[in-house]
Amino acid sequence: DQQVKQNSPSLSVQEGRISILNCDYTNSMFDYFLWYKKYPAEGPTFLISISSIKDKNEDGRFTVFLNKSAKHLSLHIVPSQPGDSAVYFCAASEGVRVRGAQKLVFGQGTRLTINP
Amino acid sequence: GAGVSQSPRYKVAKRGQDVALRCDPISGHVSLFWYQQALGQGPEFLTYFQNEAQLDKSGLPSDRFFAERPEGSVSTLKIQRTQQEDSAVYLCASSPKRTRSYEQYFGPGTRLTVT
Repeated sequence: DQQVKQNSPSLSVQEGRISILNCDYTNSMFDYFLWYKKYPAEGPTFLISISSIKDKNEDGRFTVFLNKSAKHLSLHIVPSQPGDSAVYFCAASEGVRVRGAQKLVFGQGTRLTINP
Repeated sequence: GAGVSQSPRYKVAKRGQDVALRCDPISGHVSLFWYQQALGQGPEFLTYFQNEAQLDKSGLPSDRFFAERPEGSVSTLKIQRTQQEDSAVYLCASSPKRTRSYEQYFGPGTRLTVT
């Protein structure tokens, strides 16, 4: 059962416009959410995160919104730039666990293409 | 400083062969994770080490998969008697934190192809 879902495999946006990537989750025990960005032949790199006690976190051009009641989060990129073209993964983690292992549960990814 | 490195970057194995994949985490990082990423999917958790102790191996798909981190730094993921369904990218990640190790630094991965 997929606990974290990204229902859009791909998204194409014009340079300068807003990119919105969506993510849904089913596990109510998740309390921390992250977005990772991945270029071909590289590992995922951390982009931005949000704790479940917040509903918004902003870092430069990137903003993550969390709607706990809907179990939904989104990543907004404004303005979109050609270098933002990559695969974006949504990930989630449960709270503090015994012995502290914080494994991440990932969505399937969304390929974002920014067109000049 | 250097990031997480993995070797080899690509590995082709015949079905039934054993393989060993290496991960060099960022120096001083206590937490180390292994993930498996199938084509078109997101990474899936395999196992977790805190220093040399393997504290969670709930994601290992079968007893053919074995991981170790004997000195709390370099880690090796071994797959015995490889099968075609083992074909995937194997990602290693490390984190400086013991708890709340959410923000993980990933290596480039090893792409394993089993023929």
